[in-house]
Amino acid sequence: QQPVQSPQAVILREGEDAVINCSSSKALYSVHWYRQKHGEAPVFLMILLKGGEQKGHEKISASFNEKKQQSSLYLTASQLSYSGTYFCGTEKILGSGNTGKLIFGQGTTLQVKP
Amino acid sequence: GAVVSQHPSRVICKSGTSVKIECRSLDFQATTMFWYRQFPKQSLMLMATSNEGSKATYEQGVEKDKFLINHASLTLSTLTVTSAHPEDSSFYICSAEGAGGTQYFGPGTRLTVL
Repeated sequence: QQPVQSPQAVILREGEDAVINCSSSKALYSVHWYRQKHGEAPVFLMILLKGGEQKGHEKISASFNEKKQQSSLYLTASQLSYSGTYFCGTEKILGSGNTGKLIFGQGTTLQVKP
Repeated sequence: GAVVSQHPSRVICKSGTSVKIECRSLDFQATTMFWYRQFPKQSLMLMATSNEGSKATYEQGVEKDKFLINHASLTLSTLTVTSAHPEDSSFYICSAEGAGGTQYFGPGTRLTVL
């Protein structure tokens, strides 16, 4: 039931764009995106709660297609600081109410080179 | 805002000893905290959900008698690894649930069991 992220890894030059996808086999209540640098804690990027919702954070934005049970993270004009591993965390829809539990994808490693 | 601390950041212990890890939300109250385990270059695996004033909810396959969780207040949850063995060596990360369901992560605790 772990969401599947693609690609597993991507290498970019500064200024290039990237898209990271997150797909689930279960109906989703929300999708959370985090970035983790080596040896550090994951840092919250954004949360998407509604189907079709799009959110932006500086040059990083994301969309959530509830029907397709997937979310995409868009990184535009990438900077060196964007390097790290990106995780999506998905929260399933439960009949009795949501627990807030997140199941994380396997991660996408992004390396931005000068 | 939304800062979560963990203590200790790194611990080395002998096999058979118990280790306590603290997770604190410094500038907000968290009814719910989560404990994760992360192996090198792998995803975050949810171990348990810690609820203030009630018993923790453990994920399938996680031994509740080995990983004791106590959520004593709205700003503190502790994870005690009892009778630690080398296979328990890992990076343990907690998160605290803030407004809107966002999870804010602590910096993690690197546990090494000799």
